[in-house]
Amino acid sequence: ELKVEQNPLFLSMQEGKNYTIYCNYSTTSDRLYWYRQDPGKSLESLFVLLSNGAVKQEGRLMASLDTKARLSTLHITAAVHDLSATYFCAVAAATQGGSEKLVFGKGTKLTVNP
Amino acid sequence: EPEVTQTPSHQVTQMGQEVILRCVPISNHLYFYWYRQILGQKVEFLVSFYNNEISEKSEIFDDQFSVERPDGSNFTLKIRSTKLEDSAMYFCASSLLGGEVGEQFFGPGTRLTVL
Repeated sequence: ELKVEQNPLFLSMQEGKNYTIYCNYSTTSDRLYWYRQDPGKSLESLFVLLSNGAVKQEGRLMASLDTKARLSTLHITAAVHDLSATYFCAVAAATQGGSEKLVFGKGTKLTVNP
Repeated sequence: EPEVTQTPSHQVTQMGQEVILRCVPISNHLYFYWYRQILGQKVEFLVSFYNNEISEKSEIFDDQFSVERPDGSNFTLKIRSTKLEDSAMYFCASSLLGGEVGEQFFGPGTRLTVL
């Protein structure tokens, strides 16, 4: 059974600082997603990582995937208050019907303080 | 830009009542999903649906749950007899493809409160 572990679960950081969120998973998968969720809102897709060594950047966020280590990271550069949200990683697992289901980590609640 | 829509945004019901949550997936998508998120917890897979049948379901998706695509555009989740522990946010998602590039797009969610 695929398990996805995220850490830290809570992260409080100062504006302007850098930090990394880690996502480990237990079985082989080539597809990993990062989502952002604001309180009471839906899941906003941030990154889709489809292969080993994939690196994607959008603004102050950069995500990478190492399928051999079964590890993805979400790096935050020079944090700003607007980045405060909960960040989820989700790993794709194939289903019998040919689709995929997403197995989510518990999420990292990020608070960026002025 | 096409998006997944869900209605209602919030549903309040009494324990034991039936509820139907509705979703309109993106129009050319072929795969449909339901997930739920209990308040403050992670998002959990419930069921996937393709070609008018369930592809996979989780342990959560017991006999009280059913899904249907009644008219080619809507995708519904029915909970036959709601329990207090069914209170959660329910997200519908759809994807064009199933496998390697089948990115799932999520709807805004329906918050279900069971009293």
